[in-house]
Amino acid sequence: ETGVTQTPRHLVMGMTNKKSLKCEQHLGHNAMYWYKQSAKKPLELMFVYNFKEQTENNSVPSRFSPECPNSSHLFLHLHTLQPEDSALYLCASSQVENTDTQYFGPGTRLTVL
Amino acid sequence: GDSVTQMEGPVTLSEEAFLTINCTYTATGYPSLFWYVQYPGEGLQLLLKATKADDKGSNKGFEATYRKETTSFHLEKGSVQVSDSAVYFCALRSSGDKLTFGTGTRLAVRP
Repeated sequence: ETGVTQTPRHLVMGMTNKKSLKCEQHLGHNAMYWYKQSAKKPLELMFVYNFKEQTENNSVPSRFSPECPNSSHLFLHLHTLQPEDSALYLCASSQVENTDTQYFGPGTRLTVL
Repeated sequence: GDSVTQMEGPVTLSEEAFLTINCTYTATGYPSLFWYVQYPGEGLQLLLKATKADDKGSNKGFEATYRKETTSFHLEKGSVQVSDSAVYFCALRSSGDKLTFGTGTRLAVRP
């Protein structure tokens, strides 16, 4: 595997379910990001991790819980989501020293019923 | 706060047509400006960037010039190809690690 991978690619869940999104980067980067991409809205930064430490939480509701066990892996744990949380969730990575150039995964298309 | 405004799509062109996708921004200070591209089924990837006024970023035949006086960073290509069909995102970074993106503009190129 190369680049940034995300699993699953598609996820349908009910409002009472608990699920997790996974991201893995094979680029040797030390910063990782979660973004939310909704139709006709700007890409929204959710969380930033530098060297496994969370450096930004962009006022994200607590029903989204990130986890970064090491510099290569990033998770987004989901629980009691709302239908308006349906979106494409993108993971990205970069070098901390060069955050201009971020490498994105293909995303997880999430549908909340 | 920082913001990026892009023209709404979709933009539909015939092959070899000239492309312009408008982008304007609001930011404090002197931001760096970017265009990212998202091909179908793939993640975003950096297309080009400019870090100071009057700089021109270019890549794969695409160009954009950082215009501070009009706070704009319009994307242009002289002759588009079917393979350029994608969603194009304008973005800025004014401080720190955070990139601020626009809504994206979908480009469809017909053979």
